Amino acid sequence: GENVEQHPSTLSVQEGDSAVIKCTYSDSASNYFPWYKQELGKRPQLIIDIRSNVGEKKDQRIAVTLNKTAKHFSLHITETQPEDSAVYFCAASRLTGGGNKLTFGTGTQLKVEL
Amino acid sequence: DAGVTQSPTHLIKTRGQHVTLRCSPISGHKSVSWYQQVLGQGPQFIFQYYEKEERGRGNFPDRFSARQFPNYSSELNVNALLLGDSALYLCASRLANSYNEQFFGPGTRLTVL
Repeated sequence: GENVEQHPSTLSVQEGDSAVIKCTYSDSASNYFPWYKQELGKRPQLIIDIRSNVGEKKDQRIAVTLNKTAKHFSLHITETQPEDSAVYFCAASRLTGGGNKLTFGTGTQLKVEL
Repeated sequence: DAGVTQSPTHLIKTRGQHVTLRCSPISGHKSVSWYQQVLGQGPQFIFQYYEKEERGRGNFPDRFSARQFPNYSSELNVNALLLGDSALYLCASRLANSYNEQFFGPGTRLTVL
């Protein structure tokens, strides 16, 4: 089955700096890669996603890049703000006729310091 | 529009007991998935249901079961609870099987004593 590794486990940046979180996946058939943000005690929220036919996607301060050959994808947050502090999870899945389960990474605790 | 809703919010049980967790998907969504999130880890896939049929099952024992109703709501049942079942149980809904995006509910925090 799919295995997703995520690094780093914790990341501390100064407000205004950029943050990068990296993930690798094992199943070359995976074709959908979402990123979720989870604040303490709250539900995971989808912040951005990318499909395997695209190499990069951007939404304001957030961008995701995908390298299918190397089987890794990354989340980039620019101009970080204190409200960006949370746990971020990457995930991978492949859409099949039977559905698509998300396989999550272990999470990155991002702390944006003033 | 209401998002995914789950009940109860919190639950305390003792070892050996049984628990039923409930989920209502976003209006119009026909697929529901269940995930277990142990503290400090990413969610782990338990089940996926679409049009009342099981479409996927994760690596969980037979003590875990689920079903989906005609209105697309779902129940997750766990029998013979163990201490290790203590976790946040998340429900995620998806518009249809052909769609990728999954939206999570607030979860049910289960504590097994």
